[in-house]
Amino acid sequence: AQSVTQLDSQVPVFEEAPVELRCNYSSSVSVYLFWYVQYPNQGLQLLLKYLSGSTLVKGINGFEAEFNKSQTSFHLRKPSVHISDTAEYFCAVRDKAAGNKLTFGGGTRVLVKP
Amino acid sequence: EPEVTQTPSHQVTQMGQEVILRCVPISNHLYFYWYRQILGQKVEFLVSFYNNEISEKSEIFDDQFSVERPDGSNFTLKIRSTKLEDSAMYFCASRPGQGIDIQYFGAGTRLSVL
Repeated sequence: AQSVTQLDSQVPVFEEAPVELRCNYSSSVSVYLFWYVQYPNQGLQLLLKYLSGSTLVKGINGFEAEFNKSQTSFHLRKPSVHISDTAEYFCAVRDKAAGNKLTFGGGTRVLVKP
Repeated sequence: EPEVTQTPSHQVTQMGQEVILRCVPISNHLYFYWYRQILGQKVEFLVSFYNNEISEKSEIFDDQFSVERPDGSNFTLKIRSTKLEDSAMYFCASRPGQGIDIQYFGAGTRLSVL
């Protein structure tokens, strides 16, 4: 069964500093990859997705992620964070051979400090 | 922008009682999902629904759970006899259809079983 690991449960970062959130998934021939963000008291909002094509994908709010098939990773990055980026970030994988469901990582809580 | 709406935002119930969690998916979407997140744990897939029937379910989704799309707009999750361990945040999601592999999530319903 597919599994997704987000190695960092919490990442404190200063405003305007870069941030990288790591995501690794168990090996699979064909996957779709997603990052969702959850702001306090809100639902899961799609940040970006990799379905096919270029391995570097850009999302909303200045975030980007790179799909690395050989390392089975999909790390999320932002070069300069804002206070408003304080949220929980979830990596999710859809294994195309295993139905429609998403398998989520445990989430990474980002706390941006002034 | 269209969104998935879930009601109520918080539901408190006594153990053994039946609860119904309600969701209004995005209009014209064809696939519907329920996920849950127990406090401190990962978001877990429960069930997917397409063409008025369950297309996939997890081992969590036992006979205590059922889903229904009663009127073409609402999508409900019923738990027949709640247990303490059913306490969680329940997320509804919908997806447009074939070829558009993005699930849009609601803000969730927090279920507290006492």
